[in-house]
Amino acid sequence: DIQMTQSPSTLSASVGDRVTITCRASQSISSWLAWYQQKPGKAPKLLIYKASSLESGVPSRFSGSGSGTEFTLTISSLQPDDFATYYCQQYNSFWTFGQGTKVEIK
Amino acid sequence: EVQLVESGGGLVQPGGSLRLSCAASGFTFSSYTMNWVRQAPGKGLEWVSYIRSSGSTIYYADSVKGRFTISRDNAKNSLYLQMNSLRAEDTAVYYCAREGGGVAGTCFDYWGQGTLVTVSS
Repeated sequence: DIQMTQSPSTLSASVGDRVTITCRASQSISSWLAWYQQKPGKAPKLLIYKASSLESGVPSRFSGSGSGTEFTLTISSLQPDDFATYYCQQYNSFWTFGQGTKVEIK
Repeated sequence: EVQLVESGGGLVQPGGSLRLSCAASGFTFSSYTMNWVRQAPGKGLEWVSYIRSSGSTIYYADSVKGRFTISRDNAKNSLYLQMNSLRAEDTAVYYCAREGGGVAGTCFDYWGQGTLVTVSS
Protein backbone atom coordinates (compact mmCIF):
# COMPACT_ATOMS: atom_id res chain seq x y z
CA ASP A 1 0.00 0.00 0.00
CA ILE A 2 1.15 3.54 -0.72
CA GLN A 3 1.40 5.72 2.38
CA MET A 4 1.02 9.49 2.23
CA THR A 5 2.63 11.75 4.84
CA GLN A 6 1.74 15.42 5.12
CA SER A 7 3.63 18.11 6.99
CA PRO A 8 3.02 20.04 9.05
CA SER A 9 -0.07 18.66 10.80
CA THR A 10 -1.05 22.14 11.90
CA LEU A 11 0.01 25.48 10.50
CA SER A 12 -0.67 28.87 12.08
CA ALA A 13 -0.68 31.75 9.63
CA SER A 14 -2.04 35.22 9.05
CA VAL A 15 -4.08 36.68 6.21
CA GLY A 16 -1.71 37.56 3.39
CA ASP A 17 0.92 34.96 4.31
CA ARG A 18 2.40 32.57 1.79
CA VAL A 19 1.66 29.04 2.95
CA THR A 20 3.26 25.77 1.84
CA ILE A 21 2.13 22.25 2.71
CA THR A 22 4.21 19.20 1.85
CA CYS A 23 3.06 15.70 0.98
CA ARG A 24 5.38 12.71 0.61
CA ALA A 25 4.50 9.35 -0.92
CA SER A 26 6.08 6.09 0.25
CA GLN A 27 6.82 5.21 -3.38
CA SER A 28 6.69 6.98 -6.70
CA ILE A 29 3.20 8.01 -7.81
CA SER A 30 4.28 9.95 -10.90
CA SER A 31 1.96 12.99 -10.93
CA TRP A 32 -1.15 11.19 -9.72
CA LEU A 33 -1.74 13.46 -6.76
CA ALA A 34 -4.70 15.61 -5.79
CA TRP A 35 -5.24 18.25 -3.10
CA TYR A 36 -8.54 18.82 -1.32
CA GLN A 37 -9.81 21.51 1.03
CA GLN A 38 -12.26 20.62 3.78
CA LYS A 39 -14.09 22.95 6.13
CA PRO A 40 -15.77 21.76 9.36
CA GLY A 41 -18.97 19.83 8.69
CA LYS A 42 -18.51 20.01 4.93
CA ALA A 43 -17.40 17.63 2.21
CA PRO A 44 -13.91 17.87 0.76
CA LYS A 45 -13.48 20.09 -2.29
CA LEU A 46 -11.03 19.29 -5.09
CA LEU A 47 -8.44 22.04 -5.56
CA ILE A 48 -5.60 20.52 -7.58
CA TYR A 49 -5.37 17.36 -9.69
CA LYS A 50 -2.46 15.67 -11.42
CA ALA A 51 -0.12 17.43 -8.99
CA SER A 52 -0.28 20.88 -10.56
CA SER A 53 -3.53 21.35 -12.51
CA LEU A 54 -5.98 23.81 -10.99
CA GLU A 55 -9.57 22.58 -10.80
CA SER A 56 -12.08 24.84 -12.53
CA GLY A 57 -13.31 27.65 -10.32
CA VAL A 58 -10.47 27.40 -7.80
CA PRO A 59 -8.68 30.72 -7.15
CA SER A 60 -5.27 31.11 -8.79
CA ARG A 61 -3.60 31.75 -5.41
CA PHE A 62 -3.62 27.95 -5.03
CA SER A 63 -0.89 26.06 -6.83
CA GLY A 64 0.61 22.59 -6.71
CA SER A 65 3.96 21.18 -7.71
CA GLY A 66 6.05 18.04 -7.55
CA SER A 67 6.27 14.57 -9.01
CA GLY A 68 7.48 11.16 -7.94
CA THR A 69 7.35 11.19 -4.15
CA GLU A 70 7.43 14.86 -3.09
CA PHE A 71 4.66 17.35 -3.61
CA THR A 72 3.68 20.78 -2.35
CA LEU A 73 0.53 22.85 -2.15
CA THR A 74 1.13 26.59 -1.99
CA ILE A 75 -1.32 29.34 -1.16
CA SER A 76 0.34 32.53 -2.38
CA SER A 77 -1.59 34.97 -0.20
CA LEU A 78 -3.78 33.41 2.48
CA GLN A 79 -7.36 34.68 2.53
CA PRO A 80 -9.94 34.40 5.35
CA ASP A 81 -11.84 31.74 3.39
CA ASP A 82 -8.72 29.55 3.22
CA PHE A 83 -8.63 28.59 6.90
CA ALA A 84 -9.46 24.90 6.62
CA THR A 85 -7.93 21.43 6.58
CA TYR A 86 -6.07 20.30 3.46
CA TYR A 87 -5.57 16.71 2.33
CA CYS A 88 -3.37 15.23 -0.34
CA GLN A 89 -4.50 12.06 -2.11
CA GLN A 90 -2.54 9.65 -4.28
CA TYR A 91 -4.42 7.89 -7.05
CA ASN A 92 -1.60 6.03 -8.74
CA SER A 93 -2.57 2.77 -7.05
CA PHE A 94 -5.98 2.74 -5.47
CA TRP A 95 -6.55 5.81 -3.31
CA THR A 96 -4.80 6.97 -0.16
CA PHE A 97 -5.08 10.27 1.68
CA GLY A 98 -2.59 12.10 3.80
CA GLN A 99 -3.50 12.71 7.43
CA GLY A 100 -4.39 16.35 6.78
CA THR A 101 -2.94 19.78 7.52
CA LYS A 102 -5.05 22.22 9.50
CA VAL A 103 -4.42 25.84 8.56
CA GLU A 104 -5.46 28.01 11.48
CA ILE A 105 -5.45 31.69 12.26
CA LYS A 106 -2.29 32.92 13.93
CA GLU B 1 -25.51 21.34 -11.34
CA VAL B 2 -23.95 18.11 -10.10
CA GLN B 3 -25.56 16.89 -6.90
CA LEU B 4 -24.85 13.84 -4.78
CA VAL B 5 -27.15 13.24 -1.81
CA GLU B 6 -26.43 10.45 0.66
CA SER B 7 -29.00 8.89 2.96
CA GLY B 8 -29.45 5.85 5.16
CA GLY B 9 -27.07 6.61 7.99
CA GLY B 10 -27.99 6.20 11.63
CA LEU B 11 -27.28 4.39 14.87
CA VAL B 12 -26.74 0.64 14.65
CA GLN B 13 -25.53 -1.96 17.13
CA PRO B 14 -22.24 -3.81 16.63
CA GLY B 15 -22.79 -6.73 14.30
CA GLY B 16 -25.72 -5.01 12.65
CA SER B 17 -26.34 -3.92 9.08
CA LEU B 18 -27.12 -0.70 7.28
CA ARG B 19 -27.62 0.28 3.64
CA LEU B 20 -26.46 3.66 2.44
CA SER B 21 -27.78 5.31 -0.71
CA CYS B 22 -26.45 8.12 -2.85
CA ALA B 23 -28.81 9.86 -5.27
CA ALA B 24 -27.08 11.53 -8.20
CA SER B 25 -28.34 14.30 -10.44
CA GLY B 26 -27.05 16.94 -12.82
CA PHE B 27 -24.84 14.58 -14.84
CA THR B 28 -25.01 11.32 -16.77
CA PHE B 29 -24.60 8.97 -13.82
CA SER B 30 -24.16 5.87 -15.96
CA SER B 31 -20.99 7.31 -17.50
CA TYR B 32 -19.10 7.84 -14.25
CA THR B 33 -17.16 5.68 -11.83
CA MET B 34 -18.23 6.22 -8.23
CA ASN B 35 -16.66 5.74 -4.83
CA TRP B 36 -17.43 5.71 -1.14
CA VAL B 37 -15.06 7.52 1.24
CA ARG B 38 -15.44 7.73 5.02
CA GLN B 39 -14.21 9.97 7.79
CA ALA B 40 -14.24 8.91 11.43
CA PRO B 41 -15.08 11.71 13.89
CA GLY B 42 -12.15 14.11 14.11
CA LYS B 43 -10.03 11.95 11.79
CA GLY B 44 -8.84 11.96 8.20
CA LEU B 45 -10.31 10.58 5.00
CA GLU B 46 -10.31 6.87 4.13
CA TRP B 47 -11.27 5.46 0.74
CA VAL B 48 -13.77 2.59 1.16
CA SER B 49 -14.96 1.27 -2.19
CA TYR B 50 -15.03 1.82 -5.98
CA ILE B 51 -17.44 0.79 -8.71
CA ARG B 52 -16.95 1.37 -12.41
CA SER B 53 -19.67 3.04 -14.46
CA SER B 54 -21.05 -0.27 -15.74
CA GLY B 55 -20.63 -2.01 -12.39
CA SER B 56 -18.19 -4.43 -14.00
CA THR B 57 -15.24 -3.62 -11.74
CA ILE B 58 -15.38 -3.24 -7.96
CA TYR B 59 -12.70 -2.67 -5.35
CA TYR B 60 -12.75 -2.52 -1.57
CA ALA B 61 -10.40 -1.31 1.11
CA ASP B 62 -8.99 -4.18 3.17
CA SER B 63 -10.72 -2.77 6.25
CA VAL B 64 -14.19 -3.47 4.81
CA LYS B 65 -13.58 -6.37 2.41
CA GLY B 66 -16.01 -9.22 2.98
CA ARG B 67 -18.38 -7.04 5.04
CA PHE B 68 -19.38 -4.21 2.70
CA THR B 69 -20.91 -4.44 -0.78
CA ILE B 70 -21.03 -1.59 -3.26
CA SER B 71 -23.61 -1.54 -6.04
CA ARG B 72 -25.35 0.86 -8.36
CA ASP B 73 -28.58 1.21 -10.31
CA ASN B 74 -27.92 3.35 -13.36
CA ALA B 75 -31.62 3.44 -14.22
CA LYS B 76 -32.28 5.08 -10.85
CA ASN B 77 -29.12 7.23 -10.82
CA SER B 78 -28.23 5.71 -7.49
CA LEU B 79 -25.22 4.30 -5.70
CA TYR B 80 -25.43 1.99 -2.70
CA LEU B 81 -23.28 0.62 0.10
CA GLN B 82 -24.54 -2.42 1.98
CA MET B 83 -22.70 -2.61 5.29
CA ASN B 84 -22.86 -5.85 7.30
CA SER B 85 -21.13 -7.04 10.47
CA LEU B 86 -20.62 -3.46 11.53
CA ARG B 87 -17.95 -2.63 14.10
CA ALA B 88 -17.34 0.39 16.32
CA GLU B 89 -14.44 1.37 14.07
CA ASP B 90 -16.86 1.75 11.14
CA THR B 91 -18.34 4.81 12.86
CA ALA B 92 -17.83 7.65 10.42
CA VAL B 93 -19.39 10.09 8.00
CA TYR B 94 -19.73 8.28 4.69
CA TYR B 95 -19.39 10.30 1.49
CA CYS B 96 -20.15 9.25 -2.05
CA ALA B 97 -17.73 10.79 -4.51
CA ARG B 98 -17.61 10.95 -8.27
CA GLU B 99 -14.42 10.11 -10.12
CA GLY B 100 -13.49 12.98 -12.42
CA GLY B 101 -11.95 10.85 -15.14
CA GLY B 102 -10.49 12.29 -18.31
CA VAL B 103 -7.25 14.21 -17.98
CA ALA B 104 -7.71 14.51 -14.22
CA GLY B 105 -7.50 10.76 -13.78
CA THR B 106 -9.25 8.96 -10.97
CA CYS B 107 -9.39 11.65 -8.30
CA PHE B 108 -12.76 12.74 -6.95
CA ASP B 109 -14.27 15.91 -8.41
CA TYR B 110 -17.67 15.96 -6.68
CA TRP B 111 -18.66 14.79 -3.22
CA GLY B 112 -21.97 14.45 -1.41
CA GLN B 113 -22.61 16.10 1.94
CA GLY B 114 -22.16 12.82 3.80
CA THR B 115 -24.28 10.61 6.06
CA LEU B 116 -23.26 9.68 9.60
CA VAL B 117 -23.08 6.05 10.63
CA THR B 118 -22.69 5.37 14.35
CA VAL B 119 -21.99 1.83 15.53
CA SER B 120 -22.62 1.56 19.23
CA SER B 121 -24.52 -0.51 21.77
